[in-house]
Parts: sequence; structure tokens; C-alpha cells
Amino acid sequence: QVQLQQWGAGLLKPSETLSLTCAVYVGSFRDHYWSWIRQPPGKGLEWIGEINHSGSTSYNPSLKSRVTMSVDTSKNQFSLKLTSVTAADTAVYYCAKMPYVWGKGTTVTVSS
Amino acid sequence: DIQMTQSPSSLSASVGDRVTITCRASQTIGTYLNWYQQKPGKAPKLLIDAASNLQDGVPSRFSGSGSGTDFTLTISSLQPEDFASYYCQQGYSVPWTFGQGTNVEVK
Repeated sequence: QVQLQQWGAGLLKPSETLSLTCAVYVGSFRDHYWSWIRQPPGKGLEWIGEINHSGSTSYNPSLKSRVTMSVDTSKNQFSLKLTSVTAADTAVYYCAKMPYVWGKGTTVTVSS
Repeated sequence: DIQMTQSPSSLSASVGDRVTITCRASQTIGTYLNWYQQKPGKAPKLLIDAASNLQDGVPSRFSGSGSGTDFTLTISSLQPEDFASYYCQQGYSVPWTFGQGTNVEVK
């Protein structure tokens, strides 16, 4: 069973860049798309985008201008960068092999 | 984007009750519909994929049905551990989108 471990900075100032990484343990990294999803406090789930082992990406149009995803196949890791963050980007960010396996989530707070 | 509309947004129920949550897609999605359960402070957990396929280890009191645009999640006899939030999600086309969630609370 695939396991995901994620990490990254939890406190950012407005205009900074959010950076998170997710490591994939057990199972094949090459055979799937890997997603990022976020959930603002007390709100629902929003899919941010996905990437595969060759770097092919799909992004949510609502965030596309600020999102970059990348992959490091040598480490079985994928990453998310979100630029120019504001308070509206405060959320729990999950990495996932949708729909089956999710990371535990990283709380990111944007505050001056 | 495909819009997913869940109803109700919240409901109050008692242990043993039959609970039904509905999810409507803004366009036909076949059976590309997933249901998740989420408890406070935890990641969503997949209950059902492909509209009606119960995941391993998920109790049989959970069931899903529907196709096209209208889908249902049913809990046949609510148990204490079922009080949580539930989300539908379409897997038909990117961007993957979720319903707004249904919070199942103790009556």
C-alpha cells in the first residue's frame, strides 16, 4: 500500500512562496498521477493540480497562474510551489494519489 | 469545470438512523464518482469509488448508487463512529471537483 509523507513551511508572510514536498513510499511512483489538494479552515476540499513521473501536469484554472508542480523521480518525490500567497491561501494542504491514498496534511498559515 | 452539489450541507441524526446524502453533477459523469469520509483533523478517507464500489475495510452499512448526474451515499444504520463530514468528488475530467460536504451531526 502506497504511503505518503509530506512536509514544508507552515507559516508564511503575504507575498511569499509556499513550498511543500511529498515523498512516496511503497508502490510504483511511475504508474500514477500525484495530486495536491487543500482545505481552508472549516471549508471544503479544493484540488490544486497533479503531476506524473514524467512531469506532465494539470492545474486547477483557479490557481494556475501561481502554481508550479515538479517531480524528482530519483527520490520518488513531488513538490508544490504556490507564489504570492495571501491569507486566502491559509489551509491544510494534502498530497494524494487520488482518490485512494492521502498524506496526513500540512497546515499552512499566511499571516503578516 | 464540473460543479458538484451536495445536499444537505448538514444533518442531525441518531445512532441507528438511515442516512442519505445526495450529490448532483452539473453534467453527466457516468459513474466517475467517489465518496469520502473526513473526521476532524484527519485526511479524507475513500469510502466508495466508481459510484458504488465499496473500498476494502469499509463497513457494509455504507453504500453508493447512481450514474449520470445524480448520486447517493447511504448509511443504513448510523454508528457512533460515522459522525463526520462526507464529500463527493467527480473523477470524470480535470479539474477534479468536490461537493461542498455534508456534516453528519449527533441529534
